Amino acid sequence: DQQVKQNSPSLSVQEGRISILNCDYTNSMFDYFLWYKKYPAEGPTFLISISSIKDKNEDGRFTVFLNKSAKHLSLHIVPSQPGDSAVYFCAASDTSDYKLSFGAGTTVTVRA
Amino acid sequence: DTGVSQDPRHKITKRGQNVTFRCDPISEHNRLYWYRQTLGQGPEFLTYFQNEAQLEKSRLLSDRFSAERPKGSFSTLEIQRTEQGDSAMYLCASSSGGSDTQYFGPGTRLTVL
Repeated sequence: DQQVKQNSPSLSVQEGRISILNCDYTNSMFDYFLWYKKYPAEGPTFLISISSIKDKNEDGRFTVFLNKSAKHLSLHIVPSQPGDSAVYFCAASDTSDYKLSFGAGTTVTVRA
Repeated sequence: DTGVSQDPRHKITKRGQNVTFRCDPISEHNRLYWYRQTLGQGPEFLTYFQNEAQLEKSRLLSDRFSAERPKGSFSTLEIQRTEQGDSAMYLCASSSGGSDTQYFGPGTRLTVL
């Protein structure tokens, strides 16, 4: 039973525009959420996280929004750059046991 | 400061052979995790250590899989009698006690022929 879902397998965006990636979760016990970026043949690289006590966290070009009532989070990348082309994974944890549950990923392609 | 390292990066083996992977976490990270990732999917949790204690194992971790972290530093993941279905990327991550953020290594790609 997949508890974290990324329903868009791919996203194509023009360089300089905004990329919006979405993620939904079903487990109401999740209280910490993360986004990871992954290039082929490499491990996931941590991008940004948010605790359930917040609804927004910003770090440079990356902003994560959390809507607890809808069990939905999103990652905004603005402006998008060619180096952002990668697979992005949404992950969530219940801090009573720390293990991460991941979505299936969204492949982002930034067009020049 | 180095990140999480894993060895080997690639392993090709024949069905029925045993394989062992090693993970070295970030220094002083007391938590260490193993995940498995197959094509088109996100990583799936396998097991988790706090210091040398193995605190949780996923039902994905069959009896052929064993993990150790004998001195609370590096960890090994062994797969006995490998099957073709074991082919995957095996990822290790670590985190410190004061943070929930896990940092991943580059992974070990296992191919079972």
